[in-house]
Amino acid sequence: AQKVTQAQTEISVVEKEDVTLDCVYETRDTTYYLFWYKQPPSGELVFLIRRNSFDEQNEISGRYSWNFQKSTSSFNFTITASQVVDSAVYFCALSEAGTSGSRLTFGEGTQLTVNP
Amino acid sequence: EAEVAQSPRYKITEKSQAVAFWCDPISGHATLYWYRQILGQGPELLVQFQDESVVDDSQLPKDRFSAERLKGVDSTLKIQPAELGDSAMYLCASSSTSGSFYEQYFGPGTRLTVT
Repeated sequence: AQKVTQAQTEISVVEKEDVTLDCVYETRDTTYYLFWYKQPPSGELVFLIRRNSFDEQNEISGRYSWNFQKSTSSFNFTITASQVVDSAVYFCALSEAGTSGSRLTFGEGTQLTVNP
Repeated sequence: EAEVAQSPRYKITEKSQAVAFWCDPISGHATLYWYRQILGQGPELLVQFQDESVVDDSQLPKDRFSAERLKGVDSTLKIQPAELGDSAMYLCASSSTSGSFYEQYFGPGTRLTVT
């Protein structure tokens, strides 16, 4: 069965600090996809990134970067020079290609608070 | 920018009453999902539709929950009777087609409180 663990329940930083959100996953599939979503206080989940299991290249998008390591089953997310607007709950999610559906299995989420 | 629409945004109901939520996916999206998010937890899939057909409803409590997507466009999720434990955010999402590769776009959700 697939499982996603986000061990950090809450993180609080001061603006301009760098912060890394951890994500560890479990799956028996060899083909799967990993996602990060942001949930601001308004409640809507916002898609940030998708990674497939065959692409271990790290990715950078502006202040955001992602580190995917299959050897440790981790898909960590780093925000550089954090801003108050980054305050939200961040979810890591997994989707297995081998299942009949395409459900996302989410972690419990990490509440990030960026203080001015 | 196209969005997933949901209504109502908030709903308060008494236990044992019936309640229904509506979702209109992004135009042209064939796949529609209903997730339930209990406060402090990640969303969990309740049901997935491909067009008007159910693809996955393994986590749907079928004794009290039902979902339909009659014309393969908008969808309704119903709870009858509602229980206190049903208090949660109900999120609808859509994707262009089925498949784990495709990102899911989420609506604003319906926050249900059962008293």
